[in-house]
Amino acid sequence: AQTVTQSQPEMSVQEAETVTLSCTYDTSESNYYLFWYKQPPSRQMILVIRQEAYKQQNATENRFSVNFQKAAKSFSLKISDSQLGDTAMYFCASSSNFGNEKLTFGTGTRLTIIP
Amino acid sequence: DTGVSQDPRHKITKRGQNVTFRCDPISEHNRLYWYRQTLGQGPEFLTYFQNEAQLEKSRLLSDRFSAERPKGSFSTLEIQRTEQGDSAMYLCASSSRAGGQNEQFFGPGTRLTVL
Repeated sequence: AQTVTQSQPEMSVQEAETVTLSCTYDTSESNYYLFWYKQPPSRQMILVIRQEAYKQQNATENRFSVNFQKAAKSFSLKISDSQLGDTAMYFCASSSNFGNEKLTFGTGTRLTIIP
Repeated sequence: DTGVSQDPRHKITKRGQNVTFRCDPISEHNRLYWYRQTLGQGPEFLTYFQNEAQLEKSRLLSDRFSAERPKGSFSTLEIQRTEQGDSAMYLCASSSRAGGQNEQFFGPGTRLTVL
């Protein structure tokens, strides 16, 4: 079984600043994926960034990057040069690399970018 | 628009009534997932199809819930004898194993309110 924990229910940051969202997870799988999904207000969930557990290099996607600490089972998301459009709920999620590959989500962090 | 679509977007029903939701996945995606999201929580896995076969059901899915994907394309989720505790957002997602990708694409969801 997999569990995902997000300990920051809400965060806010000034536009153009950098913010880091925290996530810890637990899994018995030897190979798995980790994800950050973004859910804007009244809009559908979209994938922000993905990390394959067997890759040591941290994933980056433009202004978004992760800090993957496998031994500590930590997977934080850093948003640089934050923009108003980054305002959303952010969910950390994990899945195994085989079988049904269902996603196990954390409870989310509500991020507000302040103009 | 070639994304995942869901119908209806909102459903209000009285306790005890039956409801059915539809999900149309991205064309040629062979995997389809249903999740349920309650207020303040992350989505929770309900069930999963690979083509027309329902391969796993969560313990969250009581006997009042049934899902089908008759031709391996669209899927329906039916809730019989609805209860107030069924009020939630029901999310559908699809994915393809092509290239070993594991990204799930989500629909906009169906928000169910049981009075």
